Amino acid sequence: EPEVTQTPSHQVTQMGQEVILRCVPISNHLYFYWYRQILGQKVEFLVSFYNNEISEKSEIFDDQFSVERPDGSNFTLKIRSTKLEDSAMYFCASSYDTANTIYFGEGSWLTVV
Amino acid sequence: GESVGLHLPTLSVQEGDNSIINCAYSNSASDYFIWYKQESGKGPQFIIDIRSNMDKRQGQRVTVLLNKTVKHLSLQIAATQPGDSAVYFCAERGKTSYDKVIFGPGTSLSVIP
Repeated sequence: EPEVTQTPSHQVTQMGQEVILRCVPISNHLYFYWYRQILGQKVEFLVSFYNNEISEKSEIFDDQFSVERPDGSNFTLKIRSTKLEDSAMYFCASSYDTANTIYFGEGSWLTVV
Repeated sequence: GESVGLHLPTLSVQEGDNSIINCAYSNSASDYFIWYKQESGKGPQFIIDIRSNMDKRQGQRVTVLLNKTVKHLSLQIAATQPGDSAVYFCAERGKTSYDKVIFGPGTSLSVIP
C-alpha cells in the first residue's frame, strides 16, 4: 500500500539552528501538508501546499517556517532559528484531492535543546 | 470559528466489549469527517470516513455515525481487541477549510485483557 515517508525519524538540534524535515508524499497525490503535534496534545495544522504554492497556513506557520517541493517527489519543511518550543512531532501528509482523506507519514520527532 | 472536540478524554473497555468514542463539532459547514487512530510514536492512521450526506457508514469492525442535527460524530468498535488501544481523533474537512483537516483533541482508548 502506498505510504507517506518521512526523514529523519528523530532529530536533535541546538536552539537557533536550522532544520529541514523531508517527506515523500504518495506518488499520485496533489495536495501536501505539514502538521505538528506537541507531546500529549492534538495534531495541529501548519500548512497546505498545492500546485507549487502554499494554499493555506495557520498562525503557527510564521516567517520562521517555509516549505518547498524541490523536485517531483520531495516536500520539505524548513524551520529557521529553532526555538525550544518547536520541539514536537512533525507529520507530513498528502491527499489526491480535497474531497478525500489525508494520509499521514510516521512523523519526524524534533527535539530542540 | 471551526472546532472539533471530544466528550471523553479517556476510555477503558474490556477485551471483547464494544467501544464507543464520541466527538462534537461546531462548524455546520463541515461536510466530511474522518476518524484516525494514533498509536504511540506513530502517525495518525486513517480508520473510516463519512460524508455529510450520510448518517452511518460501516467498515471492518468499525462503524461511524453522524448526527448533523446535534453536530455529533461517533466511532463504534466492535469486539474491541488489545491492538485497538490507541488515541482516536475525529477530524473534519469542510467547505470553509476544504484543503485541510482539523483535528479534535483525541480520546485515549485502553483495552483491558
